[in-house]
Amino acid sequence: AQRVTQPEKLLSVFKGAPVELKCNYSYSGSPELFWYVQYSRQRLQLLLRHISRESIKGFTADLNKGETSFHLKKPFAQEEDSAMYYCALMPGGYNKLIFGAGTRLAVHP
Amino acid sequence: EAGVAQSPRYKIIEKRQSVAFWCNPISGHATLYWYQQILGQGPKLLIQFQNNGVVDDSQLPKDRFSAERLKGVDSTLKIQPAKLEDSAVYLCASSFGQGARGDEKLFFGSGTQLSVL
Repeated sequence: AQRVTQPEKLLSVFKGAPVELKCNYSYSGSPELFWYVQYSRQRLQLLLRHISRESIKGFTADLNKGETSFHLKKPFAQEEDSAMYYCALMPGGYNKLIFGAGTRLAVHP
Repeated sequence: EAGVAQSPRYKIIEKRQSVAFWCNPISGHATLYWYQQILGQGPKLLIQFQNNGVVDDSQLPKDRFSAERLKGVDSTLKIQPAKLEDSAVYLCASSFGQGARGDEKLFFGSGTQLSVL
């Protein structure tokens, strides 16, 4: 079965603290993984994708096939990082996305 | 660039009534998706179109939901009759649809929030 699990509904940190949003996936093939973000009153938008191996807004994510994980990390959280974060899996074929339930990140001053 | 347009923004209906949502994707985007997002959950794909053909509708409750994308541009999602459990945000998204697998970026609309009473 193709599934994405985000175990934390809410992650609350103080400004400047490190952040790790967890994502585990279940997929038998070669996965394509993404992080999408939704800021307050904004649309859901792409944050980063693992094939690009990029850092966006200080966030990085590394695909660990052994642990079937794709955790999102940032060394120093900022208040403007507060948002809903969704991990998503794109199985082979037709580019559809399978989303996790999301984690709300709250960064306090 | 202009984003994905959806209407209406909000809709309140009673159970057993019908409702329709409209989506206009970004110009030139071949692929269009309808997602259902129930409160507290991630978006779930209902149907995916490539141009005006259906690619995946495996999770669409076909006894009550229907969707069409005439002329391969805008799309309409209909629910008839609605049930209480259909209360959700309905998101439309589009992508260029011509890139390599995994390289596609989905652009989402603002969504339609449906409340079924």
